[in-house]
Order: sequence, then C-alpha cells, then structure tokens
Amino acid sequence: GAGVSQSPSNKVTEKGKDVELRCDPISGHTALYWYRQSLGQGLEFLIYFQGNSAPDKSGLPSDRFSAERTGGSVSTLTIQRTQQEDSAVYLCASSFSSVRSPLHFGNGTRLTVT
Amino acid sequence: DQQVKQNSPSLSVQEGRISILNCDYTNSMFDYFLWYKKYPAEGPTFLISISSIKDKNEDGRFTVFLNKSAKHLSLHIVPSQPGDSAVYFCAATTSMDSSYKLIFGSGTRLLVRP
Repeated sequence: GAGVSQSPSNKVTEKGKDVELRCDPISGHTALYWYRQSLGQGLEFLIYFQGNSAPDKSGLPSDRFSAERTGGSVSTLTIQRTQQEDSAVYLCASSFSSVRSPLHFGNGTRLTVT
Repeated sequence: DQQVKQNSPSLSVQEGRISILNCDYTNSMFDYFLWYKKYPAEGPTFLISISSIKDKNEDGRFTVFLNKSAKHLSLHIVPSQPGDSAVYFCAATTSMDSSYKLIFGSGTRLLVRP
C-alpha cells in the first residue's frame, strides 16, 4: 500500500508568517510522529500521537509549534510566526506503536524561512 | 545532551570491502536499537534492529553488533556496494517510554567507491 505522504514537499515562507505541514500516515498505523532535521544534524523528535491518548509534546521547541491529529489519521504541524531557525526538513513517521515496530517515514517537507 | 552519538560524519570504502559504522549511547535505559538509511530528498528507511537481549543480529549483508557494557553498537556491511552510499542513522529507544520515540544520532555519510 501507499507509504507516508507529506505535503507540501517544499515550502518557502517569510519570517513571521504561519505555516501548516500535512502528514498522511500509513493506513492502520496507530502511532504518528513528527521529527525535524536541521542542516547537518540528526533527527530531532517533536511530537507523538497514539490513538485517543494525550500526545507526547515533549520535543516541541517552543509554543509557536503545535500539532493535531484528526480522526486518528491525518496530522497537521503548525508553526506560528516562523523564524529563520525553523528552517529544516520536517519528517512525519507512522508505526504500529510497538517498541519493535519500525517507524516508516515520509519524504519530508523542506521548510525555508527567509 | 546527545544521548546517541555518531562520531564519524563520513566514511569512504572501496566496493566489495567491509563498511563499519559506529554508534555510542549514554542512556542505560535504552533497550532497542535501530539503523536507518537515508538517501537525499527521501525519508529514512529502516534497515536493521537489535534488542538489548542480543549482541548480534544479521540480515543478509548487514550485521549489527551491540556491546552493552561499552554502550556501543556498530553496523557492518559486507560486501559494500555503490548503492549502499547514503547517510546512516543510528537510533535508540526504551520500552519504558510509552511513546517508543526514537532518539537519533547525527548520521554518518557512507560513500562506496566503485
């Protein structure tokens, strides 16, 4: 079946504007994660959703970042009042929420804040 | 505070030879470890994993070794092929974390020369 789908693939925005990034996980996967990769860095955990449980937001870098997952499927990551340091590739992943269930990643959204 | 470290940003090997990628971790609660491979403009893809109850796991040309006392793991690729050229990320998680979020290293860029 289809993999994790993310849109847009590229986004250029002006500093101070809000952006929304979308993720369509693999059908049947109950867990959804957002990560970001800044230039030359590893993948940084942002937020985790599992079913109807409260999300794990421990990785969100500031209150400008928020995410929601509607109907246990599609997720949207919102960054308000973007800053240049927000420039990164934002990756979404989904899994069956087991320690032995590998995360399946989308191709990411490359965000550039000018 | 980097809990997972990949100290070699790059590695170059000749086709047919062995590639050895290294990873160190600091959190003794980690009990599951994974390697992901990433090509440019694509999301990371799962390669191989190992549980802390094992010290070796093999899958075709790929073998992961875990040394718990040294908090060290390595990925061996034998024989290396040009198509293996990619960035390799080491990741770790703990079954004590209900979100099973992965903590990633900063990656090692492998180049396999024909």
